[in-house]
Amino acid sequence: DTAVSQTPKYLVTQMGNDKSIKCEQNLGHDTMYWYKQDSKKFLKIMFSYNNKELIINETVPNRFSPKSPDKAHLNLHINSLELGDSAVYFCASSQEGGQTPLHFGNGTRLTVT
Amino acid sequence: GENVEQHPSTLSVQEGDSAVIKCTYSDSASNYFPWYKQELGKRPQLIIDIRSNVGEKKDQRIAVTLNKTAKHFSLHITETQPEDSAVYFCAASKSGGGADGLTFGKGTHLIIQP
Repeated sequence: DTAVSQTPKYLVTQMGNDKSIKCEQNLGHDTMYWYKQDSKKFLKIMFSYNNKELIINETVPNRFSPKSPDKAHLNLHINSLELGDSAVYFCASSQEGGQTPLHFGNGTRLTVT
Repeated sequence: GENVEQHPSTLSVQEGDSAVIKCTYSDSASNYFPWYKQELGKRPQLIIDIRSNVGEKKDQRIAVTLNKTAKHFSLHITETQPEDSAVYFCAASKSGGGADGLTFGKGTHLIIQP
């Protein structure tokens, strides 16, 4: 069984559209994250969330919003997509915040045309 | 916030030689330092981690050293093999709980020459 699964694997869409990426973890972890990996391979945290708090990287545009229906899911909604949003988005989870290993999903390659 | 610098950005070594990747961090409160390996087209995966109460940790051909005073840590890979070719990321965290995430370095592309 895949520990952290995200869908879709590929997402091609036009500028201005709204899209969502889903993420689910079956590890029983308390904390989930979204990371963005740009064309230069730089991994940048966008959001981290557990049942107590949501931490938002201040550089993330408010067009991006995480939604967590329960502790096993953290979906990413993106409004009014822009060309610069093209990247690979990784969902991840960890047992106890940043002090324990991250388990990454396989990534979603988003291409905005 | 935390800032992690990683060098070199690209490292090419002959198969069988050793490879060393270095990172520095800015926040003296950081106390957890993992290393991730990302093969082409795949997700990052943890290969080794170290906490601030330890100066060195080994796992077969991989070792990590930490110098808290200088705020730097390094990854050492001995007897490199072709399957070691990948992008390696260092990271740092100071969370004692809650939702803080890892701050990553910009990655090192390790190339093992046959």
